[in-house]
Amino acid sequence: QVQLVQSGAEVKKPGASVKVSCKASGYTYTSYGISWVRQAPGQGLEWMGWISAYNGDTKYAQKFQGRVTMTTDTSTNTAYMELRSLTSDDTAIYYCARDTGDPGTYYIGYWGQGTLVTVSS
Amino acid sequence: QSVLTQTPSASGTPGQRVTISCSGSSSNSGRNYVYWYQQFPGMAPKLLIYRNNQRPSGVPDRFSGSKSGTSASLAISGLRVEDEADYYCAAWDDSLSGWVFGGGTKLTVL
Repeated sequence: QVQLVQSGAEVKKPGASVKVSCKASGYTYTSYGISWVRQAPGQGLEWMGWISAYNGDTKYAQKFQGRVTMTTDTSTNTAYMELRSLTSDDTAIYYCARDTGDPGTYYIGYWGQGTLVTVSS
Repeated sequence: QSVLTQTPSASGTPGQRVTISCSGSSSNSGRNYVYWYQQFPGMAPKLLIYRNNQRPSGVPDRFSGSKSGTSASLAISGLRVEDEADYYCAAWDDSLSGWVFGGGTKLTVL
């Protein structure tokens, strides 16, 4: 079965960077892209961007352009999301989520368990 | 401010039918499929409805989705206490070239 297992909670100081990992199993890793979605405390879901696990192509939400980098390692079936210049507004649960569906009509179908990132001085 | 608009809360009693709405624009729900996710407190979201009205295997047929124009709805019939959760709609936005979500609807089963 599809599993996305994320790295553990992080506490960072303002201005620092955080890198969250998402290890996939139960399917052919390179067949589907992975999105990163975050959820601030008590708030809704916010899409941050997407990476192709096949060739590493990325698409970032404009809000995060220049501050986020998504990468993938096909040798370990792991996707990474690095967010820089953290502020308290970045305190949130960060989810990785895998595409599903047919080519050209993919959608977010599977979610990791989430990684809490707390930004505090 | 979410791109897709949902009413923040909804409620019903066991056995009732409730509807949760999601309103967007021509660049997202108006021309693309709408998806619904269910999220329990402290848990990751789970896909509930895909491509406007399709249920993944394992999702009870008490849950149904529909779309008309730029608006979509999630209906839950035969409401159960265990349906109490947050519900989010989502769609691809062609103008933003990304996924957009509604602000979520908290469903309370009284």
